[in-house]
This record gives sequence, structure tokens and C-alpha cells, in this order.
Amino acid sequence: EPEVTQTPSHQVTQMGQEVILRCVPISNHLYFYWYRQILGQKVEFLVSFYNNEISEKSEIFDDQFSVERPDGSNFTLKIRSTKLEDSAMYFCASSDRSRSSGNTIYFGEGSWLTVV
Amino acid sequence: TQLLEQSPQFLSIQEGENLTVYCNSSSVFSSLQWYRQEPGEGPVLLVTVVTGGEVKKLKRLTFQFGDARKDSSLHITAAQPGDTGLYLCAVSNTGKLIFGQGTTLQVKP
Repeated sequence: EPEVTQTPSHQVTQMGQEVILRCVPISNHLYFYWYRQILGQKVEFLVSFYNNEISEKSEIFDDQFSVERPDGSNFTLKIRSTKLEDSAMYFCASSDRSRSSGNTIYFGEGSWLTVV
Repeated sequence: TQLLEQSPQFLSIQEGENLTVYCNSSSVFSSLQWYRQEPGEGPVLLVTVVTGGEVKKLKRLTFQFGDARKDSSLHITAAQPGDTGLYLCAVSNTGKLIFGQGTTLQVKP
């Protein structure tokens, strides 16, 4: 079964450093997302991406965050200058938004980011 | 206020018991999804319910969408330790998913 893959699975970084989290969405999907989950809290939407541009972003997704689809397969989340409160599990997700799939969004296994 | 309220937040039961968890809202939705998440992993879709009053079964799991499409329930029959996890309901809003805070289920052998 096709799946969303994410790397790295776990990254520890110092406060102030830049981090890039990578994702390979499901190949025929056109809609891509990043979510995050702080330990013990609910899954929160960060950003959605379609047709090479951001279609929606949340209040969490401030100027420190950016997303990019550098080639036909990868979708990346960059945090420019990490803060302690950025420590969380970051999930990439993708969808084809078709009626037949019921707009099912498929999640990767997550990248656990620890900022120290 | 939360768009989706899930209850209970925590549930600890013995293997073999039945349980029901709920997802409630004051808003009407065109569809609602249930996910299961295990520690350190991403949410995995269990089911999507679309029609008011719809009932879907997935082995020992029964999902129901309220007639008014504002609420949903998940019933597990004869729970097993492998059912342990975080159960999340979610709705789609402009394409993105909004999650409830989840019900943490622990099934003890």
C-alpha cells in the first residue's frame, strides 16, 4: 500500500538552529500538509500546499516556517531558527481530494523534533 | 472552545469489555473521520462516515454518524490489548483536518 514517508524520524537540534524535515507524499497525490503534535496535546494543522503554493496556513505557521516542493517527489518543512517550544512530532500528510477517496488524508509516521 | 469534543478523555478497561467513545460538536459536517494513533506514530485512518445515521463496521469496531451529522460514536466490542491507543475524530475544513483532542484507551489483559 502506498504510504507517506518522512525523514528523519528523530532529530535533536540546538535552539536557534535551522531544521529541515523531509517528506515524500504518496505519488499521485496533489495536496500536501504539515501537522504537528506537541507531546500530550492534540494534532494541529500547520499548512496545506497545492499547485506549488501554500493554500492555507494556521497561526502557528509564522515567518520562521516555510515549505517547499523542491522536485517532483519531496515536500519539506523548514524551521529557520528553532525555539524550545518547536519541540514536537511533525507529521506530513497528503491527499488526492477525490470523491472516491472521501478526501482521505494519509499521514506519515512523523519526525520527532527535540530542541535543546 | 473546541470544535470537536471527545469523551471520555481517558478510558482504562479490562480485556473483553465493551466501550463507546464519543465525538460531539455544535456544527454540522459533511463527513467525519476516525483515526487511531499509537505512541510515536502518525494517525491512521479507520473510517470515514458521510451520511447522517450511517453505521459502519470494521471487525469489532462500529462507527455511527449522528442523524444531524453533528456527532459520532465509536463502539468497540470485546476490547483487546491491541486496541490500546489514542482514538481521534476529525473533520475536514477547507481541505485541512481539524482533530478532536482524542480518547486514550488502555485495554488491560
